[in-house]
Amino acid sequence: DAGITQSPRYKITETGRQVTLMCHQTWSHSYMFWYRQDLGHGLRLIYYSAAADITDKGEVPDGYVVSRSKTENFPLTLESATRSQTSVYFCASSEGRTSPETQYFGPGTRLLVL
Amino acid sequence: QKEVEQNSGPLSVPEGAIASLNCTYSDRVSQSFFWYRQYSGKSPELIMSIYSNGDKEDGRFTAQLNKASQYVSLLIRDSQPSDSATYLCAVRHEDYGQNFVFGPGTRLSVLP
Repeated sequence: DAGITQSPRYKITETGRQVTLMCHQTWSHSYMFWYRQDLGHGLRLIYYSAAADITDKGEVPDGYVVSRSKTENFPLTLESATRSQTSVYFCASSEGRTSPETQYFGPGTRLLVL
Repeated sequence: QKEVEQNSGPLSVPEGAIASLNCTYSDRVSQSFFWYRQYSGKSPELIMSIYSNGDKEDGRFTAQLNKASQYVSLLIRDSQPSDSATYLCAVRHEDYGQNFVFGPGTRLSVLP
């Protein structure tokens, strides 16, 4: 009964490095989302995916790349990390059918870019 | 960009009182409304969803929606110290499919 998991939970990296945050869900939910949460901004959508191989930009996509080759996985990559990407990152999923709108969140990844 | 605003906190109420959390949204076509609770250092968890004008009750929680006024609120009756958290309002608009727009959150402190 894992639900939705994220790894790593904490990450420290340096400016310019590539970082990949992992998200895995066991519910076979169609939709998956990546948010970042910063003080004063609340949750902002980075990217989302309606199904495997279908992704689209959210509000703040610059500097991030996503892929979804399998329904259960939705990794987020920071191609060249910047200090402004220091944040807490949440992955979420929703079924998109009988319960179309409830989003369930993973535990989050705290990322510090030095 | 659709906007969601929440009353600025922190909001402090004594134990046993009613806590009232407010949220306004900018787009009249918004369809679905959600309240999430987030404890410090944890992920958001859904408390209530509401789709139609009026009140929806679930235990000590009541969500109120007024689409004409573009206003949704969350009332917490008999507030407990365990209700101390940040409450996030989220709005879904049909143009955004399954996507939500979140408000900045209101931090609630329930004082014993």
